Amino acid sequence: DARVTQTPRHKVTEMGQEVTMRCQPILGHNTVFWYRQTMMQGLELLAYFRNRAPLDDSGMPKDRFSAEMPDATLATLKIQPSEPRDSAVYFCASGLVLGSNQPQHFGDGTRLSIL
Amino acid sequence: DQQVKQNSPSLSVQEGRISILNCDYTNSMFDYFLWYKKYPAEGPTFLISISSIKDKNEDGRFTVFLNKSAKHLSLHIVPSQPGDSAVYFCAALRTSYDKVIFGPGTSLSVIP
Repeated sequence: DARVTQTPRHKVTEMGQEVTMRCQPILGHNTVFWYRQTMMQGLELLAYFRNRAPLDDSGMPKDRFSAEMPDATLATLKIQPSEPRDSAVYFCASGLVLGSNQPQHFGDGTRLSIL
Repeated sequence: DQQVKQNSPSLSVQEGRISILNCDYTNSMFDYFLWYKKYPAEGPTFLISISSIKDKNEDGRFTVFLNKSAKHLSLHIVPSQPGDSAVYFCAALRTSYDKVIFGPGTSLSVIP
């Protein structure tokens, strides 16, 4: 059963440090999404890619967050410098182009704690 | 401005009874709606979807109802089982766009 793989599963670091989260989408999927889950906001869309090109990153704080897809098997989300308010669970999801009801498949998330 | 709303943060139901989870949306351009289920420490998993041209879709114990005029959909689980205890996210999309908008989720507890 194909899965989206996220690493690391947990990350604890001090404020000001760089954080890199990685995602391996399901082979053959051409859209990749980064979400952040918080208690108040639920699942917030941070960025998404289609065929490795960034299409929308309007949900992302641009001054400290960056998202890239160096190749079709890897998506990264970086925070530099990190702040305590970035503490959350970050999910990656992949899917086919949403022209129908093809659902996104989610990874199990990276739980990030910034001290 | 939340385009997809789930006004009940939590719901408790007795095992064997019906669970009804509600979702409201504001954008009449959405043409697909999905429900995802999430267990702790796992990612959301797709449960069931419905096209805006339909008013009902059923899959086993799960049925989703759509009322377009009221911009409201609901997920019915019958009968509810303890394993259904999870957070349920309602989501909506326009098929001309890739973006899926998620609601804040409803935490369902099914009590044995």
